[in-house]
Amino acid sequence: GIQVEQSPPDLILQEGANSTLRCNFSDSVNNLQWFHQNPWGQLINLFYIPSGTKQNGRLSATTVATERYSLLYISSSQTTDSGVYFCAVWTQGAQKLVFGQGTRLTINP
Amino acid sequence: ETGVTQTPRHLVMGMTNKKSLKCEQHLGHNAMYWYKQSAKKPLELMFVYNFKEQTENNSVPSRFSPECPNSSHLFLHLHTLQPEDSALYLCASSSLAGGYQETQYFGPGTRLLVL
Repeated sequence: GIQVEQSPPDLILQEGANSTLRCNFSDSVNNLQWFHQNPWGQLINLFYIPSGTKQNGRLSATTVATERYSLLYISSSQTTDSGVYFCAVWTQGAQKLVFGQGTRLTINP
Repeated sequence: ETGVTQTPRHLVMGMTNKKSLKCEQHLGHNAMYWYKQSAKKPLELMFVYNFKEQTENNSVPSRFSPECPNSSHLFLHLHTLQPEDSALYLCASSSLAGGYQETQYFGPGTRLLVL
């Protein structure tokens, strides 16, 4: 089945820093989503981005489907950005969302 | 109340107990999902219901028994669980299941500890 790899696994930054999270996938995908899981376990949708670039406030995402990767950018990090960021992809073969292992982001004040 | 809710938020049970997890969605969706999130592992899809019909059982042991009485409610009945079943159980919903354009919305999860 499709492999979804996220990097880095852990990232510790000071408040105000910028960060880039990466998601690589091993096959063509029909759908790619980024989620943020807060420290209490709640998964929140950030972007639905099978291709192209989207921006929402301090967050933006870019997916280059032909090269099989997606990037999530967080600018001017805040402590509330802490948590785990997951990339999930949908393929015709799997017919379900397949999640990566996540990147644990810690923003220190 | 909006979104996807789950109860209880925390549950401790013995291996011989029987308990149920409840999920309710207030988004008017027709598909609901159960996921399991264990430490150090990616989210694993367990079950999918589309218009109250189960459309996917991802090789889940029979000690987990789902129930979907209507499109807004989803239950996960638990019996004779093992300690390795301790995990965060997440419920999600989407407009339809099986569509790659569907965005799934997640509840806050039930953190389960099996002793």
